[in-house]
Amino acid sequence: NAGVTQTPKFRVLKTGQSMTLLCAQDMNHEYMYWYRQDPGMGLRLIHYSVGEGTTAKGEVPDGYNVSRLKKQNFLLGLESAAPSQTSVYFCASSYLGGRGNEQFFGPGTRLTVL
Amino acid sequence: RKEVEQDPGPFNVPEGATVAFNCTYSNSASQSFFWYRQDCRKEPKLLMSVYSSGNEDGRFTAQLNRASQYISLLIRDSKLSDSATYLCVVKNGANNLFFGTGTRLTVIP
Repeated sequence: NAGVTQTPKFRVLKTGQSMTLLCAQDMNHEYMYWYRQDPGMGLRLIHYSVGEGTTAKGEVPDGYNVSRLKKQNFLLGLESAAPSQTSVYFCASSYLGGRGNEQFFGPGTRLTVL
Repeated sequence: RKEVEQDPGPFNVPEGATVAFNCTYSNSASQSFFWYRQDCRKEPKLLMSVYSSGNEDGRFTAQLNRASQYISLLIRDSKLSDSATYLCVVKNGANNLFFGTGTRLTVIP
């Protein structure tokens, strides 16, 4: 099993450009999440999904959109990138969202917006 | 106020030492608690869950004090391979995890 994979691993964008980050998991997990990690801030939840076809906002959703058309994939879109979106983005998945359910993380995508 | 607060360190300890990290959380209704480990430029991975009665996994012991809203992680007999950033994580409600900024540990030969 590959676990959670993310593409691309690195990307440099200019302000105003758009892009989509892809997350895929092969563990048949119901729940998927997108986080960003910034120095001194810890990981912060952007959006999450509790199942195919459903999405919900997390702590910092502004400037991002997501889609979960297939259970195994969770896409994060930036419609008009801004320098404030320079960050490391982590996708995660879990079997369920309840107590004690471990979240498995992908290797991350390093995004720089110039 | 941040949901989870940790001392960022760094903690530099010699091999074989015992080191403890602490973390406080702000939401008294928080339900689940975890320690994750993150190596440099890698993804976080679950180290252990934290239970009300305290729990131990080998050299690692986690404690929870709900009254003081305080979580701790104790590492005994530190190894070089323990060098990493340790993230305190709290779950509120059904799905959302809140991460501390992490405590950086370096174990010195």
